[in-house]
Amino acid sequence: AQKVTQAQTEISVVEKEDVTLDCVYETRDTTYYLFWYKQPPSGELVFLIRRNSFDEQNEISGRYSWNFQKSTSSFNFTITASQVVDSAVYFCALRVKAAGNKLTFGGGTRVLVKP
Amino acid sequence: GAGVSQTPSNKVTEKGKYVELRCDPISGHTALYWYRQSLGQGPEFLIYFQGTGAADDSGLPNDRFFAVRPEGSVSTLKIQRTERGDSAVYLCASSSLSGSSYNEQFFGPGTRLTVL
Repeated sequence: AQKVTQAQTEISVVEKEDVTLDCVYETRDTTYYLFWYKQPPSGELVFLIRRNSFDEQNEISGRYSWNFQKSTSSFNFTITASQVVDSAVYFCALRVKAAGNKLTFGGGTRVLVKP
Repeated sequence: GAGVSQTPSNKVTEKGKYVELRCDPISGHTALYWYRQSLGQGPEFLIYFQGTGAADDSGLPNDRFFAVRPEGSVSTLKIQRTERGDSAVYLCASSSLSGSSYNEQFFGPGTRLTVL
């Protein structure tokens, strides 16, 4: 069975601070994919990134960066110089190839960026 | 282009009634997924379709829940004899096929179901 844990339920920062969201996953399979989604107050999940289990390179996209470490089964997400528009709930998700295409989501981390 | 659309955006019903929730995926996406999101939680998988057939319905909670996708495009999630515990946001997503693997899922805005 697969599991995703986001231990931080809520993080509050002041604008321009950096914020790191933790994600720990569990699977016995060797082929899997990790995702981050953003859910703003409007409610629609917005895809941010996909990573496969064979690619441990870290990635940067603008103010967003991701750190994938198989040794600790973690896929952490950092927002640099946060802005009020970053306020949302962020979900980490796992898809295991052997289990088909369904996503297993973590419980989410609510980020509140104050001006 | 147009994203995933879902109707209605909100549905209020009484306990015991039947409801249908509709999802219109991104054009050309062969896979369609249904998830349920309860307040303060992450989405939970219900069912997914490859084309017209349900490839995995392991997440459907019981036989009151059923989904169809008769022409491989629009899908309808049907809930019979609704219960208060069915109240949640029902999310639909779709994805395209790249080689033998499906790409990331794109989600619709959801249908908020309230069972009184």
